Amino acid sequence: KQEVTQIPAALSVPEGENLVLNCSFTDSAIYNLQWFRQDPGKGLTSLLLIQSSQREQTSGRLNASLDKSSGRSTLYIAASQPGDSATYLCAVTSGNTGKLIFGQGTTLQVKP
Amino acid sequence: NAGVTQTPKFQVLKTGQSMTLQCAQDMNHEYMSWYRQDPGMGLRLIHYSVGAGITDQGEVPNGYNVSRSTTEDFPLRLLSAAPSQTSVYFCASSYSSGGGAGELFFGEGSRLTVL
Repeated sequence: KQEVTQIPAALSVPEGENLVLNCSFTDSAIYNLQWFRQDPGKGLTSLLLIQSSQREQTSGRLNASLDKSSGRSTLYIAASQPGDSATYLCAVTSGNTGKLIFGQGTTLQVKP
Repeated sequence: NAGVTQTPKFQVLKTGQSMTLQCAQDMNHEYMSWYRQDPGMGLRLIHYSVGAGITDQGEVPNGYNVSRSTTEDFPLRLLSAAPSQTSVYFCASSYSSGGGAGELFFGEGSRLTVL
């Protein structure tokens, strides 16, 4: 059974810091991995999608990497801003079932 | 584009009542899914569909039914509500490229309380 873990559960940093959020998964047979952002009381917004054949994806100040063999992905946020404060979730699509399984998220606070 | 639309946004039920959460998307996505989000549990997949007429169970399907008669709509039915079904429910859709979901688009959520 695929399990997705995100560490840390919460993170507080001063504005301007570069930071890394971690995501690990137990079954390397994935179809893709996605990173999402969720603001309080809102739905999720897709940030980056990495196909299983890719190593990384970039969008603006965000960079996500994927290492299938070790079952890990990282989301790198450069020059963090208070507007980046939110919960960040990763999710993997199982290559066998097509099911999308989520981690529990990392809640980020960026202090001015 | 409306994207993914969920109704109602809020609902209070009594134990044993039934109801349907509606989900509609206007992006012609093949893949649609329902999740529930609970504190400390993250998002858990209830049911999903890879196209009209095709549905499958997720991690926590018990107590819920789905059907997919059209590409646009994917309603979630609670057959006999229980307090354990108090949660925030999210519908999501994406294109489907054979191996599973692509970039996922979420609705704003439906907050359900069962007394």
